[in-house]
Amino acid sequence: GENVEQHPSTLSVQEGDSAVIKCTYSDSASNYFPWYKQELGKRPQLIIDIRSNVGEKKDQRIAVTLNKTAKHFSLHITETQPEDSAVYFCASDGDGGSQGNLIFGKGTKLSVKP
Amino acid sequence: DAGVIQSPRHEVTEMGQEVTLRCKPISGHDYLFWYRQTMMRGLELLIYFNNNVPIDDSGMPEDRFSAKMPNASFSTLKIQPSEPRDSAVYFCASSPTVGTGYGYTFGSGTRLTVV
Repeated sequence: GENVEQHPSTLSVQEGDSAVIKCTYSDSASNYFPWYKQELGKRPQLIIDIRSNVGEKKDQRIAVTLNKTAKHFSLHITETQPEDSAVYFCASDGDGGSQGNLIFGKGTKLSVKP
Repeated sequence: DAGVIQSPRHEVTEMGQEVTLRCKPISGHDYLFWYRQTMMRGLELLIYFNNNVPIDDSGMPEDRFSAKMPNASFSTLKIQPSEPRDSAVYFCASSPTVGTGYGYTFGSGTRLTVV
């Protein structure tokens, strides 16, 4: 089955710097790659996603890139702000989503220092 | 839409007691998922349903855990008897369909503490 590896597990940056979180997946049939942000004590919330027919997607200060050949995708946050501090999870639909569930990475705790 | 609704938000119970967690998915969503989150193990998929039918329960830790979905608008996760190692945040999530392009919407979670 699908396996999603996420790195790093923790990341600390200064406010205004960029942050990059990387994930790799194992199932070449995977087609959908969402990213979730979970603030302390809150639910995970979808912040951006990308499909396999797209190499990059941007939404204001966040972007996601996908390299299907290498089977990895990354989340990029520019001009980081303290409110970006949270745990970020990547996920993959694995097997093209035929099973209906997402496979999550272990999460990256991002700390943005003012 | 009010989103995915879970109850209770917090539950403290004594070891050996039965615990029932409840979830109401978003109307029209065909899939419902139960996750458990701990610091050590992250987000673990316990079980998920499609059109009220359990599809994969391989993540259910043991026979003490059971889940039901009697109709499209309600699901329960039951632990009987509960143990301290069951302490975690339990999330319910729903999604509209299978396949590419649809992420989950999570509920606010139930923080379970077993003492």
